[in-house]
Amino acid sequence: DAEITQSPRHKITETGRQVTLACHQTWNHNNMFWYRQDLGHGLRLIHYSYGVQDTNKGEVSDGYSVSRSNTEDLPLTLESAASSQTSVYFCASREAPTDTQYFGPGTRLTVL
Amino acid sequence: RKEVEQDPGPFNVPEGATVAFNCTYSNSASQSFFWYRQDCRKEPKLLMSVYSSGNEDGRFTAQLNRASQYISLLIRDSKLSDSATYLCVVNVRPGNTPLVFGKGTRLSVIA
Repeated sequence: DAEITQSPRHKITETGRQVTLACHQTWNHNNMFWYRQDLGHGLRLIHYSYGVQDTNKGEVSDGYSVSRSNTEDLPLTLESAASSQTSVYFCASREAPTDTQYFGPGTRLTVL
Repeated sequence: RKEVEQDPGPFNVPEGATVAFNCTYSNSASQSFFWYRQDCRKEPKLLMSVYSSGNEDGRFTAQLNRASQYISLLIRDSKLSDSATYLCVVNVRPGNTPLVFGKGTRLSVIA
C-alpha cells in the first residue's frame, strides 16, 4: 500500500546543531508540506513544494529549509536548532485533483 | 477575519448524544472542504470530504452552506471512541494553494 513515512520518530538534539527530518511518500504526489504543531497553535505551515525543484515558504519558515530533488522525498532541515523549535513536525502530501491531504505519523523533536 | 475559524470547545457530551460542530471560512470562492480527526499526539486523518449537496458516512453528516460560508459536522449516537479533536480544513484560495486548517474543536465523549 502507498504510504507516507517520517524519520526519525523522536529526536533529541542540542541548541545550534543542524537537524534533518526525513519525509517519504510512495503515492507519487507532486504536492508535499511540512507543518509544526504546538499546544495552542494548531498546525502551522513551514514549507511546501509543488514538485521537483520547487519550494515555497509557509507562515513559519524562519530557521528551516527544504529541498525537493525527487517526487518521493521532502527533507526538512533546521539550520541551527533553537529551543523554540521543540515541537511535533508533520509531513503531508496531497492528492490531485481531490485535494485530499495525507499526513505522516510525525516527528517529535526536542531541542535542549 | 480568520480564514478558517472553529469553536475550540471542549465539547463534553454523554455517550449516545448528538453533537454538531460549525466552521466558518473567509473566502466565498473557496472550493474544497474537509473534516479531519486528530487523536492526541497523532497525525490528522481525513474523516470526510464535504460536498455541496451534503454527505453522510454512517453516524457522521457533513454539510456546506456557501451562502453563509460555513461547514458543519454532525455526529449522531456519540461513542467513547469519537473523543478527539476535529479539524475543519478549507482550500480557501482556489487553485493549487495550501489548505488552511482550523485550530480544531475538541470533543470528549463521557460514559
